[in-house]
Amino acid sequence: EAGVAQSPRYKIIEKRQSVAFWCNPISGHATLYWYQQILGQGPKLLIQFQNNGVVDDSQLPKDRFSAERLKGVDSTLKIQPAKLEDSAVYLCASSLDAGGGQPQHFGDGTRLSIL
Amino acid sequence: DQQVKQNSPSLSVQEGRISILNCDYTNSMFDYFLWYKKYPAEGPTFLISISSIKDKNEDGRFTVFLNKSAKHLSLHIVPSQPGDSAVYFCAASVYGGSQGNLIFGKGTKLSVKP
Repeated sequence: EAGVAQSPRYKIIEKRQSVAFWCNPISGHATLYWYQQILGQGPKLLIQFQNNGVVDDSQLPKDRFSAERLKGVDSTLKIQPAKLEDSAVYLCASSLDAGGGQPQHFGDGTRLSIL
Repeated sequence: DQQVKQNSPSLSVQEGRISILNCDYTNSMFDYFLWYKKYPAEGPTFLISISSIKDKNEDGRFTVFLNKSAKHLSLHIVPSQPGDSAVYFCAASVYGGSQGNLIFGKGTKLSVKP
């Protein structure tokens, strides 16, 4: 079974620039998550999709972050404009459905550095 | 306010001995708990989980214990191997909840010395 695919692996941009990340979940997984992991912290949920609908985006900084999952499969996360504090690893995860009791499977992440 | 706490940033054990990683939580609504292992430059890998209807779950060398009254869980690795050296994250969610999103601790870095 192919895992969660993410690209790019690394990205370096200057503050105030924009950046986009892409995620393709495990085939058949209805639920997709984007997490932000700052150095020395655990992953923190940014947004959760169930198919192509948003379930939870309460911790997404909506003034600069946006995400979509148009066809209920792959997803993009965008930051515009980027700030220094956005330097982190952005992890995508997927699970069979949204209910608790389902382990989430993670991609290898995109490491974002803001100069 | 951290809802899931891993108070030991690091742990070092000798190969062949037991590794015990601890996790505490404050939210009494949590009743599904997971452990993830993370190698550098890779995403977290699911290791083992436990729901609150159990107090123990075992999978090979890995056992998770849950003490609901103390809001405490632990991961035991026996015997520890050098390949187990990684950062271990404890995570919690609400079983059967509509969201299922995970709340993570900060992680414990395990080093297993040959």
